[in-house]
Amino acid sequence: ETGVTQSPTHLIKTRGQQVTLRCSSQSGHNTVSWYQQALGQGPQFIFQYYREEENGRGNFPPRFSGLQFPNYSSELNVNALELDDSALYLCASSLIQGTEQFFGPGTRLTVL
Amino acid sequence: TQLLEQSPQFLSIQEGENLTVYCNSSSVFSSLQWYRQEPGEGPVLLVTVVTGGEVKKLKRLTFQFGDARKDSSLHITAAQPGDTGLYLCAGNRGNYGGSQGNLIFGKGTKLSVKP
Repeated sequence: ETGVTQSPTHLIKTRGQQVTLRCSSQSGHNTVSWYQQALGQGPQFIFQYYREEENGRGNFPPRFSGLQFPNYSSELNVNALELDDSALYLCASSLIQGTEQFFGPGTRLTVL
Repeated sequence: TQLLEQSPQFLSIQEGENLTVYCNSSSVFSSLQWYRQEPGEGPVLLVTVVTGGEVKKLKRLTFQFGDARKDSSLHITAAQPGDTGLYLCAGNRGNYGGSQGNLIFGKGTKLSVKP
């Protein structure tokens, strides 16, 4: 069984740029959720994707967008990066019917 | 306002000591999960509790879900240096837009166990 993988591991961008983060879900899982974890904080829910559609969204602006592909992998896109977007971005996969989410190792994004 | 409050925020103890970490909320959750996170890594699921009053044991770790499903505790017996990490509780509020719902995380308890 393959776990959740994310790429890249680390990324440095400048303010105003755009970034794409990628996630491959655990085999057998059809739902992907994205979280942002700022330093010293718990993860905050960004959005969830199921059947290639957004299926719930947290309190994040529209410049945070996502995609899910037929193989259940997912992308998180952030436009017009701001300094406060610097964080660990976590992807979690699950079964839509289940309660347990399994996390990837995260992508550390630094915005200068 | 933090929906899930964890306490204490920081805990530094000696190997062999016992400890309890608390997770409290005014909201009801359909389930609650505990995760352990190492620096720069993703959270690793330790346990899920679903039923009010439920107690689950994982070796030296004991997890309890409050009767009203609003709070939970994690008790570690005879802590070891390998237990060091950030312990996060996360509540699931159930259906959200037809999905299983997103997880609401606390800020975590940073545990350091010294040899």
